[in-house]
Amino acid sequence: GENVEQHPSTLSVQEGDSAVIKCTYSDSASNYFPWYKQELGKGPQLIIDIRSNVGEKKDQRIAVTLNKTAKHFSLHITETQPEDSAVYFCAASFMDYGQNFVFGPGTRLSVLP
Amino acid sequence: GAVVSQHPSWVICKSGTSVKIECRSLDFQATTMFWYRQFPKQSLMLMATSNEGSKATYEQGVEKDKFLINHASLTLSTLTVTSAHPEDSSFYICSARDQGRATYEQYFGPGTRLTVT
Repeated sequence: GENVEQHPSTLSVQEGDSAVIKCTYSDSASNYFPWYKQELGKGPQLIIDIRSNVGEKKDQRIAVTLNKTAKHFSLHITETQPEDSAVYFCAASFMDYGQNFVFGPGTRLSVLP
Repeated sequence: GAVVSQHPSWVICKSGTSVKIECRSLDFQATTMFWYRQFPKQSLMLMATSNEGSKATYEQGVEKDKFLINHASLTLSTLTVTSAHPEDSSFYICSARDQGRATYEQYFGPGTRLTVT
């Protein structure tokens, strides 16, 4: 089955700096990769996703890149703000309507003012 | 749009009792819903996939007789923790897919914190 690793487990950056979180997956059949942000005591919220037929996707300050050959994908947050502080989870899935996600262990991001 | 609610948001129960958690898709229909469990500072672990009108599919190691799942309609799935014990204390989160959209996104509920005393 699929296995997703995520690094780093914790990340502290100064406000305004960039943050990068990297995930690797094991199943080459996986072709959908979402990123979720989870604030304390709340459910995860989708912030960006990417499909395997795309190498990069950007939405304002957030971008995701995918390297299918190396089986890794990364989340990039630019111009970080204190409200970006949260736990971020990556996930991998084979695109099928009944397929569940396999989540990475999470990265706790702290943006220091 | 694409809102998923859970009820209750938190519950405290005594050991040996049963607790029911509801997951509702408020503005879309979901033939498939997922139930996750999350321990403090850990990732989300899939417990089961709930399919409307049929039996749920449980992940390996999850006791189907202990975690009863019912997906009776296209907008409601319930998780019942039977004979709860302190080790069942956790954050339970559901998610749902919008069957009407050509997307693989899962919409997550806000979670239910269960504490068993």
